Amino acid sequence: TQLLEQSPQFLSIQEGENLTVYCNSSSVFSSLQWYRQEPGEGPVLLVTVVTGGEVKKLKRLTFQFGDARKDSSLHITAAQPGDTGLYLCAGGRGRGSTLGRLYFGRGTQLTVWP
Amino acid sequence: EAGVAQSPRYKIIEKRQSVAFWCNPISGHATLYWYQQILGQGPKLLIQFQNNGVVDDSQLPKDRFSAERLKGVDSTLKIQPAKLEDSAVYLCASRTVRTSGERYNEQFFGPGTRLTVL
Repeated sequence: TQLLEQSPQFLSIQEGENLTVYCNSSSVFSSLQWYRQEPGEGPVLLVTVVTGGEVKKLKRLTFQFGDARKDSSLHITAAQPGDTGLYLCAGGRGRGSTLGRLYFGRGTQLTVWP
Repeated sequence: EAGVAQSPRYKIIEKRQSVAFWCNPISGHATLYWYQQILGQGPKLLIQFQNNGVVDDSQLPKDRFSAERLKGVDSTLKIQPAKLEDSAVYLCASRTVRTSGERYNEQFFGPGTRLTVL
C-alpha cells in the first residue's frame, strides 16, 4: 500500500508544453520533497516544502504543498527535453531519531520530445 | 565533495545464492539509508542507521536480508538466500543532521546496484 499516490504515472509531451504532476495522500506529512531520477542514477532533491499552502519556484518549476499538508503538485512551464526523467514525491514523517524517514510515491515518468 | 559511492553497479545471480552490496556515504553524514526500488515503483526504505546503530529496520525482511554499519561509516547489505522477487535496484543514501533550512532533510543518493535474480 502506497502512502503517496502520484499521477499521472507516465507523461509524454512536446517541448514547450506545460504540465502538472500530482502527489496525493490521506496522511499528513511534516514535509514534502520532490526528487528527480535519471536512468542509472539515484534520485536528486529538487525542493522541500514544509508549510501548508507553501509555494516554491525553481526557474520553470513551481511546487505547491496543500493547505492540509496531505498533497502536493509540481508544475513545469515550457518543458524542455532536459526535463525528461522520473519525478518522485516523498513525504517526511517521524520525530527524534526517525526524523528524516521518507515515504516515496511510485513516480511520474516524464518524456519531453524535441 | 564526493558523493555516495556504491558497488557493484550491477549483479546477476541465481535464486538461492547470496549477494552483498557496499556503500560509502558522504563524509560526515551520520544517517545512512538502504532503499529497494523495484521497476516501476518508488524507493522503499529497508533500513536506517544513525552512526552505527539501527534506527528503523521495520521493512527489512530479516529472514534473508541483513545490514551492518561498522564504525559508523561504510555499510553493507546482504541477501541470503536471494529470491526472484529481490530483483531491484538497491539504493544507498546518506543525510546530515541538519533539521532546518533550505535543504532540510535532503538525502543524497548513490547510483544504486541493479540486482537481477534468475
